[in-house]
Amino acid sequence: EIVLTQSPGTLSLSPGERATLSCRASQSVSANYLAWYQQKPGQAPRLLIYVTSNRATGIPDRFSGGGSGTDFTLTISRLEPEDSAVYYCQQYGSSPFTFGPGTKVDIK
Amino acid sequence: QLVEFGGGVIRPGGSLRLSCAASGFTFDDYGMNWVRQAPGKGLEWVSGINWNGGSTGYVDSVKGRFTISRDNAKNSLYLQMDSLRAEDTALYYCARAMSTGFYYGMDVWGQGTTVSVSS
Repeated sequence: EIVLTQSPGTLSLSPGERATLSCRASQSVSANYLAWYQQKPGQAPRLLIYVTSNRATGIPDRFSGGGSGTDFTLTISRLEPEDSAVYYCQQYGSSPFTFGPGTKVDIK
Repeated sequence: QLVEFGGGVIRPGGSLRLSCAASGFTFDDYGMNWVRQAPGKGLEWVSGINWNGGSTGYVDSVKGRFTISRDNAKNSLYLQMDSLRAEDTALYYCARAMSTGFYYGMDVWGQGTTVSVSS
């Protein structure tokens, strides 16, 4: 099983700042099959990025993903108040498809 | 749209069948998954099934106890949960994969149905 580690655990930033979230895998993620999800309290997760760097439909271009192998990042270029949420990475290159523990982004 | 139902309170060792009704898209064009979230915790992928039910996958903790299935004629996904344990307590989401297989990003999610296993 691939274990995903996310850092930092919590990120507290101001609107307009840049957020960089890290996701590290215990072994290489096959075909860079890594996704990022956003979850707000009381809501279902929302797909942001798939296959490392592809934005899902309707996702603003201030969200971008990158990386390969075992190290991946989600960047939010200019934070907006509505970006306050928990962000999870997930690998689906090998079963079981594991999620990271999440990074909480607080907007000051 | 995905709507889950069938959750409830069940004693340890009991069984429950979750259902997920799909609408607004061609159901048999997509793989499907179940993902759960224990209270106050993160997300855990539970199981997935490809478009025709010919391929399935499970997290180790539910293998042999849970069975995923689908009925494309009814646009429905199911999760049969047997030998339930306290650690199965969670909000269970149904989610659509972005391909005919289940091994892809999940772009459509339901609102979840709650399963509580308690004596």
